[in-house]
Amino acid sequence: EAGVTQFPSHSVIEKGQTVTLRCDPISGHDNLYWYRRVMGKEIKFLLHFVKESKQDESGMPNNRFLAERTGGTYSTLKVQPAELEDSGVYFCASSQVEGGKSTEAFFGQGTRLTVV
Amino acid sequence: AQKVTQAQTEISVVEKEDVTLDCVYETRDTTYYLFWYKQPPSGELVFLIRRNSFDEQNEISGRYSWNFQKSTSSFNFTITASQVVDSAVYFCAVGDAGGTSYGKLTFGQGTILTVHP
Repeated sequence: EAGVTQFPSHSVIEKGQTVTLRCDPISGHDNLYWYRRVMGKEIKFLLHFVKESKQDESGMPNNRFLAERTGGTYSTLKVQPAELEDSGVYFCASSQVEGGKSTEAFFGQGTRLTVV
Repeated sequence: AQKVTQAQTEISVVEKEDVTLDCVYETRDTTYYLFWYKQPPSGELVFLIRRNSFDEQNEISGRYSWNFQKSTSSFNFTITASQVVDSAVYFCAVGDAGGTSYGKLTFGQGTILTVHP
């Protein structure tokens, strides 16, 4: 069974440009999460989807970030326009719901974003 | 608000040594979950363990063991007889138990473990 897959693995863009990150969760997982790790710091929660609905987006840093999950399958995270401080590793995770509770979250390998 | 402190930024050991990674957490929740994840060089975060706050029993899984001390808000991780393949970044995390999701986690900064042959 395929794990959580993220595209691209690396992205280098110039300040002011737009970048779209994609996450394919494990098939059948309703919960999908985005996290970000800025250089050397802790991994921080960005938002949580349950199917196609945003359950919690309290961690989104500002309105330059837009996350979508059309059809409740894969998700995209768009940064527009990108700023230098957006550089970091963006992780996606997914989990299933069993018996009213979710399983632990399975993470992807992350997308390393560098804004220059 | 929740917070996790992993005071050890980097640890370096020689193969076969035992090593303990420290984790101290803060939470106002009376019920919560604690986690450890491993990040090998390939980049993904690999789930290692989830522990409920009401279960203070220590757990052992092969060479891995975890010591949960609610009185000191610590959830330390010990690797016995370390191996080169244990080299990775290890993250401790806390999550609330209020909802149906284990996925909204507060992570520590991670500890880089290097095991030398």
